[in-house]
Amino acid sequence: DGGITQSPKYLFRKEGQNVTLSCEQNLNHDAMYWYRQDPGQGLRLIYYSQIVNDFQKGDIAEGYSVSREKKESFPLTVTSAQKNPTAFYLCASSPAQGLNTEAFFGQGTRLTVV
Amino acid sequence: LAKTTQPISMDSYEGQEVNITCSHNNIATNDYITWYQQFPSQGPRFIIQGYKTKVTNEVASLFIPADRKSSTLSLPRVSLSDTAVYYCPVKGGNNNDMRFGAGTRLTVKP
Repeated sequence: DGGITQSPKYLFRKEGQNVTLSCEQNLNHDAMYWYRQDPGQGLRLIYYSQIVNDFQKGDIAEGYSVSREKKESFPLTVTSAQKNPTAFYLCASSPAQGLNTEAFFGQGTRLTVV
Repeated sequence: LAKTTQPISMDSYEGQEVNITCSHNNIATNDYITWYQQFPSQGPRFIIQGYKTKVTNEVASLFIPADRKSSTLSLPRVSLSDTAVYYCPVKGGNNNDMRFGAGTRLTVKP
């Protein structure tokens, strides 16, 4: 089945450690996105990528890094510089840029710092 | 930077029609208006998209006035399963990103 997959579903990290969240899609989409969601809040854009080997910062990029070496993959690294990383992380993809196409979301990764 | 304004929350009862309005600040000429639904601990899912006037699908209707500065999502005869957060994302300042805002939390009561 075509879709977008995030792994793992739950992730625990010790303070001071980097951790990488996986996002893979087999929908042949050009654009991919990472969002952070805190309890009871909306989605905030971390990074997005329009094409392979290119990505742009969103509203809350500090303490995060991404790569886009392959069209189907857009991993997010939460670094030790992110002071409050505990949150629900969502990855999305869309066939083309911006709003004129439907975006598909993964099921999310819930990260907890212990 | 394009932003949206939606009511934070709304309550309704089963069987009623619910209308949720979104204001789009500085929406670009080529942008479509899109609505998404999110259940707890899940990713948002697409509901409906339009450019102007009215669009209807099996789930909802979308009303967009001529100036396109706002849109209204209409959910006919809601049920308890329609309890969710609804978003109307717009593009950000860099043209090709997608910002969701806080959304509207709809609670449907029996």
